[in-house]
Amino acid sequence: QVQLQQWGAGLLKPSETLSLSCAVSGGAFSAYFWSWVRQSPGKGLEWIAEINHNGVTNYNPSLKSRLTASVDTSKRQFSLNLTSVIASDTGIYYCARSVGYFDYWGQGTLVTVSS
Amino acid sequence: QSVLTQPPSVSAAPGQKVTISCSGSSSDIGNNYVSWYQLLPGTAPKLLIYDNNKRPSGIPDRFSGSKSGTSATLAITGLQTGDEADYYCGTWDSSLSAGGIFGGGTKLTVL
Repeated sequence: QVQLQQWGAGLLKPSETLSLSCAVSGGAFSAYFWSWVRQSPGKGLEWIAEINHNGVTNYNPSLKSRLTASVDTSKRQFSLNLTSVIASDTGIYYCARSVGYFDYWGQGTLVTVSS
Repeated sequence: QSVLTQPPSVSAAPGQKVTISCSGSSSDIGNNYVSWYQLLPGTAPKLLIYDNNKRPSGIPDRFSGSKSGTSATLAITGLQTGDEADYYCGTWDSSLSAGGIFGGGTKLTVL
């Protein structure tokens, strides 16, 4: 059974950097892309980025300038950095497996951006 | 990136059927598979439908999906109070700004 366990800082001040990581257990890590998705208060789901085991990335164009995704295949982990956060970056961030759809999800991390 | 268009809310009585629409364009739904997700408060999204009309293991056949052209529909029959949740459609954008996209979400109320 595939399981995703994520972690990262939950409270940030404006202009700081959001850093999240996600560890994958079970399944074939190298066979898939791995994504980040967020849900902002009062808004819907928003796809943020994806990465594969070779470090090939795809980013949401609206966030691309502030995003960096990375992967550590030896640890079966992938990570996300979002720089210069603002209040509208507040939300629940999820890691998920990408297979053309998102079939396995992490538990979610609530990130609050507030001064 | 475009957001797929869903109705903000739908409602129906227990036991009834409800449908949720998802409208896109030729660069997203028109050329890609559609998936559907259920969001319950405090829990991670759950995949209900993938590849337009396939159900993952464990999803009851009360949930079904269809796609025609640039639109997709999620149907839920035999509504239960536990179905009250937010539902999102998702697909991929095949345009220059390629990436995953979702609908704005639909709140299902079981009256």
